[in-house]
Amino acid sequence: DGGITQSPKYLFRKEGQNVTLSCEQNLNHDAMYWYRQDPGQGLRLIYYSQIVNDFQKGDIAEGYSVSREKKESFPLTVTSAQKNPTAFYLCASSRTGTGYGYTFGSGTRLTVV
Amino acid sequence: AQSVSQHNHHVILSEAASLELGCNYSYGGTVNLFWYVQYPGQHLQLLLKYFSGDPLVKGIKGFEAEFIKSKFSFNLRKPSVQWSDTAEYFCAALYGNNRLAFGKGNQVVVIP
Repeated sequence: DGGITQSPKYLFRKEGQNVTLSCEQNLNHDAMYWYRQDPGQGLRLIYYSQIVNDFQKGDIAEGYSVSREKKESFPLTVTSAQKNPTAFYLCASSRTGTGYGYTFGSGTRLTVV
Repeated sequence: AQSVSQHNHHVILSEAASLELGCNYSYGGTVNLFWYVQYPGQHLQLLLKYFSGDPLVKGIKGFEAEFIKSKFSFNLRKPSVQWSDTAEYFCAALYGNNRLAFGKGNQVVVIP
């Protein structure tokens, strides 16, 4: 079955360490996205990529980095510069153009201690 | 800026009551509209979507939403809620640049 896989489901890291969250899709979608979800804040866009080897900052990109070397993969690195990294992170993908919705992964809950 | 507003973040109601959640989006040309639901401990699921055509959209689990272009609104409704409708509900708007903007969500609690 086609879908988006995020791993791991739960992740714990010590403060000051970088951590990379995985996102893989087999839907042949061109576009991929990373969102952060916090209580009462909804989902906020961190980074997105419309095509391989290209990506753009979203609304809250500071302290994060991404790469898009393959169409299927869009890993997110939470760096030590991110002041409040503990959150629920959601990856999504879509076809480009209007008229298409997003498919979401099941998310990774990152806790920094 | 492209944005989506949802009001009344916390909603508490009894079973069989009617539910209406408001959603307003900022103007941005062609917009596709969505309502997503997140049940406790689960991932986001699509409730319904509007791309074009009939402005009254019916979704899963008895939910419906009405697109009113003149009011930039896409309110979600359910005539009679059940305890299992306890969840967080998110309105979202997909703009022409393919970016999906979310509202802050409505936490709905249905009391048996």
